[in-house]
Amino acid sequence: DGGITQSPKYLFRKEGQNVTLSCEQNLNHDAMYWYRQDPGQGLRLIYYSQIVNDFQKGDIAEGYSVSREKKESFPLTVTSAQKNPTAFYLCASSSIWGGLAGDGVHEQYFGPGTRLTVT
Amino acid sequence: GQNIDQPTEMTATEGAIVQINCTYQTSGFNGLFWYQQHAGEAPTFLSYNVLDGLEEKGRFSSFLSRSKGYSYLLLKELQMKDSASYLCAVRGSNDYKLSFGAGTTVTVRA
Repeated sequence: DGGITQSPKYLFRKEGQNVTLSCEQNLNHDAMYWYRQDPGQGLRLIYYSQIVNDFQKGDIAEGYSVSREKKESFPLTVTSAQKNPTAFYLCASSSIWGGLAGDGVHEQYFGPGTRLTVT
Repeated sequence: GQNIDQPTEMTATEGAIVQINCTYQTSGFNGLFWYQQHAGEAPTFLSYNVLDGLEEKGRFSSFLSRSKGYSYLLLKELQMKDSASYLCAVRGSNDYKLSFGAGTTVTVRA
């Protein structure tokens, strides 16, 4: 079965600690994304990557870091510099084959999410 | 910048129809997506519009007017399992990123 996995589902950390959230996909997608979701707000893009060893900042990258050493994996580290880290974190992936022209939908597929609580 | 607006909440009765509107002002446009998200779960893809008009998929339909920066998602023959948040998302013209609205929580009552 193809899909995206995130682990763990729930994560608790003390303030001041860095924490790494896992995201793995076996859909053979080139692009991967990290979002943060807070109550009453839409998904906000943290980082994204369209190719191995390359990634770009999204709208709220401060206090976060990522790596893309393998096509299947895109881990997110929430650092102690992130002022308000408690949130629901969602990882997604999409194909980019064929580009944006034509009828390529390239919808994003989401993992089940990790709920991070920092106290 | 991107500005995507949708109502916060809607309530409807089982078997009825509900229309969720989404207006957007974005720098560039290359498609509008609707996702369904049940509480505490991952969003799942519902529909995609890139040209003006209506796309129908079973009980769900989505409409787009690019000149008006407007879309709606129409849910027909509502079922209790349709109670969820519905997210409108727009893709810009130069890359694959999506900008999401805050979501509309639909509650279906018996």
